[in-house]
Amino acid sequence: QAVVTQEPSLTVSPGGTVTLTCGSSTGGVSSGHYPYWFQRKPGQAPRTLIYDTNNKLPWTPARFSGSLLGGKAALTLSGAQPDDEAEYYCLLSYNSGRVVFGGGTKLTVL
Amino acid sequence: QVQLQESGPRLVEPSETLSLTCSVSGGSISRYYWSWIRQPPGKGLEWIGYIYYTGITNYNPSLKSRVTMSIDTSKNQFSLQLKSVTAADTAVYYCARDSPPKEYWGQGTLVTVSS
Repeated sequence: QAVVTQEPSLTVSPGGTVTLTCGSSTGGVSSGHYPYWFQRKPGQAPRTLIYDTNNKLPWTPARFSGSLLGGKAALTLSGAQPDDEAEYYCLLSYNSGRVVFGGGTKLTVL
Repeated sequence: QVQLQESGPRLVEPSETLSLTCSVSGGSISRYYWSWIRQPPGKGLEWIGYIYYTGITNYNPSLKSRVTMSIDTSKNQFSLQLKSVTAADTAVYYCARDSPPKEYWGQGTLVTVSS
C-alpha cells in the first residue's frame, strides 16, 4: 500500500522561494504517476494548480511551477505572496489503479 | 462553466449508511470520470474512488468493502454510499470531475456520524 509523503509544514518569507516535495514509499516519482498539486484554503474546496507534473491551469499564478526533483514531484513557489498561505496536497496515481493523496503541507508566508 | 453540488443527509447514525449525491450542471456527465474525496476534521484529503460514466468503478482499497458508487447519466448525477459508518467517517465530502485536469470540484458537505 503506497504512502505519499509531503513536508508537514514549511515557512517562506514574502517574495521568497520555496519548494514543496511529494515522495512515494514505492520508489521514485515519475511522470507516470501523473502528479497533481492542489491548494486548499480554509472553508474552500481544493483548487487544482498543477496536473501531470508541470501543466498549469488557467488560474494558476505564474509564480507556481511543477517538476520532478530528486525522485520526487515538486511544487516551487517563486515570489511568495501572503495570499499563497494555504495547505498544498499532491496526488499520485499508480499502475495498480491506486490513487493516493499526500498528507499535505501547511505553507506559512511570514 | 461546469458546477458540482453535493447533497444528502448531514447527520448519519453509527452503523448506518452514508448516502450523497453529486449533481453536475453546465456540462454533460458522459465521457468523464467522477470522483469522491473526503477530508476528516484536522486531517488531510483522502481519495475514496471514482466512477466512469459507463459505470466502471475504482475504489480506495481501504474503503472498498464499504463503498458503492453509482451514476445516472439521465439525471447528470452520481452518488456515493458508504455503509457501516463510524465516527471516523465524519468528514467534509467532496465530489469532483476526475478526468484530467481534475479542475471541477463541489464545495463540499460536512457529514457527521453521531447518534
